[in-house]
Amino acid sequence: KAGVTQTPRYLIKTRGQQVTLSCSPISGHRSVSWYQQTPGQGLQFLFEYFSETQRNKGNFPGRFSGRQFSNSRSEMNVSTLELGDSALYLCASSRDGTGELFFGEGSRLTVL
Amino acid sequence: GIQVEQSPPDLILQEGANSTLRCNFSDSVNNLQWFHQNPWGQLINLFYIPSGTKQNGRLSATTVATERYSLLYISSSQTTDSGVYFCAVERGGTSYGKLTFGQGTILTVHP
Repeated sequence: KAGVTQTPRYLIKTRGQQVTLSCSPISGHRSVSWYQQTPGQGLQFLFEYFSETQRNKGNFPGRFSGRQFSNSRSEMNVSTLELGDSALYLCASSRDGTGELFFGEGSRLTVL
Repeated sequence: GIQVEQSPPDLILQEGANSTLRCNFSDSVNNLQWFHQNPWGQLINLFYIPSGTKQNGRLSATTVATERYSLLYISSSQTTDSGVYFCAVERGGTSYGKLTFGQGTILTVHP
C-alpha cells in the first residue's frame, strides 16, 4: 500500500512568487492535513480537508490556501512568498480526520 | 490551546543504553501519537496511543490519560535510533486533522 506522496520534494522560489504543493493521500483516506515545520516555530497545523471541504484551519494568513479534489488529492498554495515561508511543508492523511495520521516525506521550500 | 511539553530536549546515549522520553499535555485528548523524524524530514509513525501501553520491538509506549502524560521507552538503543522524537496530541471534537506537537527530543546515539 503506497504511503502519502508529496511533490515536489524540493523547490526554490524568490520573494513575491507563489508556489503550489501537491499531496496524494493513502488509498482510502479521505482526510488530508497540512503542516508547516520551521526551526523557530516547530510543527504547526495549516488546515484540514475532507470530501473537498475545509473543516479546520490553523492561524496562518490568507496567503496560505488549499483545496481538495474529488479523488482526495490535495494542493496547498502560498501566494506572495516571504522569506519566512521557507520551511518543510508536510502533508498527512487519515481515514476521517480523527485517529491516526500518516505523513508524507514533505516538500522543502526555500524562499530567496 | 492545548500545550505539549517534551523532556528532555536533548539526549545523548551510547549504543546499547536504554532511555525514556516524556510527553506532558495540558488537557484531555482523543489522540496521541509518537513520531520519529528521519534525517530527510519524514515523520515516521511509532505509536498511536491515546491510552494504555503498546510495544513494538525495542520500543514501547505508555499513556496515562487521566494524568496527562505519555512515555516512550527505547531499549538497547542503536545508532539508527538517532533523530528527533515528537509527541503530538489531538483534542477531539472539531479538531479534525489538527495535531499539536511538542518541541521534540533530539536523540543522539553514539557507537
